[in-house]
Amino acid sequence: SAVISQKPSRDICQRGTSLTIQCQVDSQVTMMFWYRQQPGQSLTLIATANQGSEATYESGFVIDKFPISRPNLTFSTLTVSNMSPEDSSIYLCSVAPLSGAEAFFGQGTRLTVV
Amino acid sequence: SQKIEQNSEALNIQEGKTATLTCNYTNYSPAYLQWYRQDPGRGPVFLLLIRENEKEKRKERLKVTFDTTLKQSLFHITASQPADSATYLCALARMNRDDKIIFGKGTRLHILP
Repeated sequence: SAVISQKPSRDICQRGTSLTIQCQVDSQVTMMFWYRQQPGQSLTLIATANQGSEATYESGFVIDKFPISRPNLTFSTLTVSNMSPEDSSIYLCSVAPLSGAEAFFGQGTRLTVV
Repeated sequence: SQKIEQNSEALNIQEGKTATLTCNYTNYSPAYLQWYRQDPGRGPVFLLLIRENEKEKRKERLKVTFDTTLKQSLFHITASQPADSATYLCALARMNRDDKIIFGKGTRLHILP
């Protein structure tokens, strides 16, 4: 299993600013995943963060808007840049220590952009 | 494109009855199908995983079936309790290099006392 600590748990931000979300795992994992969950919607994968290489972004998400860092095997950050109200959502980090097996999630960051 | 559909946005079930949730998928060949529970303000929590070569999996009051011909999974909670009220997410995964997990929108289950 894996325990994930994600912070902040919530924030209210001004339009045009940036927010960095941190994710700390209690064990070393190869890949960490960042999701967005808008109200009433499914979890949408933003990107996969690999240690030692550039993150892999899904269609519709770009590095300039969602830069990701992965400095070691237990930590990652996601930045939401130049925010607009459309970025208001819950952001979740996740790991799946074993290929194809269960995923573990942080408690999420509820972001509101005003 | 890949699509996962869960049968309804919300489901009301009387306490003590069996709740059955449905997950259908298209344009996908998963190696694994998973079910998660999500409570308000929390991240999803893993419940059960079933492999493509398995028909049924049980865990306490939970039962999952997986029909790769119909491209459907059924998730059952027997002897349901108000504490079972939550959103339940279906998820698919393959044994690929990218190991991505794709989630459905979820079904909000309300167990009525």
